[in-house]
Amino acid sequence: QQPVQSPQAVILREGEDAVINCSSSKALYSVHWYRQKHGEAPVFLMILLKGGEQKGHDKISASFNEKKQQSSLYLTASQLSYSGTYFCGTDQENNNDMRFGAGTRLTVKP
Amino acid sequence: NAGVTQTPKFQVLKTGQSMTLQCAQDMNHEYMSWYRQDPGMGLRLIHYSVGAGITDQGEVPNGYNVSRSTTEDFPLRLLSAAPSQTSVYFCASSYVGTGSYEQYFGPGTRLTVT
Repeated sequence: QQPVQSPQAVILREGEDAVINCSSSKALYSVHWYRQKHGEAPVFLMILLKGGEQKGHDKISASFNEKKQQSSLYLTASQLSYSGTYFCGTDQENNNDMRFGAGTRLTVKP
Repeated sequence: NAGVTQTPKFQVLKTGQSMTLQCAQDMNHEYMSWYRQDPGMGLRLIHYSVGAGITDQGEVPNGYNVSRSTTEDFPLRLLSAAPSQTSVYFCASSYVGTGSYEQYFGPGTRLTVT
């Protein structure tokens, strides 16, 4: 079952912050985050494993609340290069059957 | 390393035609998969493989066939193309146990069925 992402789209000015959410109706083994630029392939950002992880990656970080089956991606002090569509992917049992959300389109304007 | 490569980049088919989308990786990954991406739908898993000779269905397998004779290659066959199969197709690879490892995506094949 596909995870649900929110919001569907967000527009920011450079330097502003954003939060993208990903939720599942089923228990999760892990949550993955990818970013895709227009016309390109998705690029890996980070994986969070069950156990309530938090990870950081420059000014992009994420958390995983295993009990709520939710993950959030935090983008701070956004840059123009952050523009793209962000996808979360969820894996329920580490069984190689990954499902992706519909994506959140992020636009950062000067 | 070339990573994950896909051919062709673009393809136009007529309804009822068949074709094979090629995917290859040089990272010695056991796991390979095919996704289709439609506007507003995200990436949907078509088929995947955890090693040579082993394939399994994903979320949207109907109308597609796969086989895995080598670790490197994982072709996707459309048996009788339909307009509903117009989409962008991505091949991906990783180590087995994809919940724990990042997936590497190919550049995609944009397929139009008229």
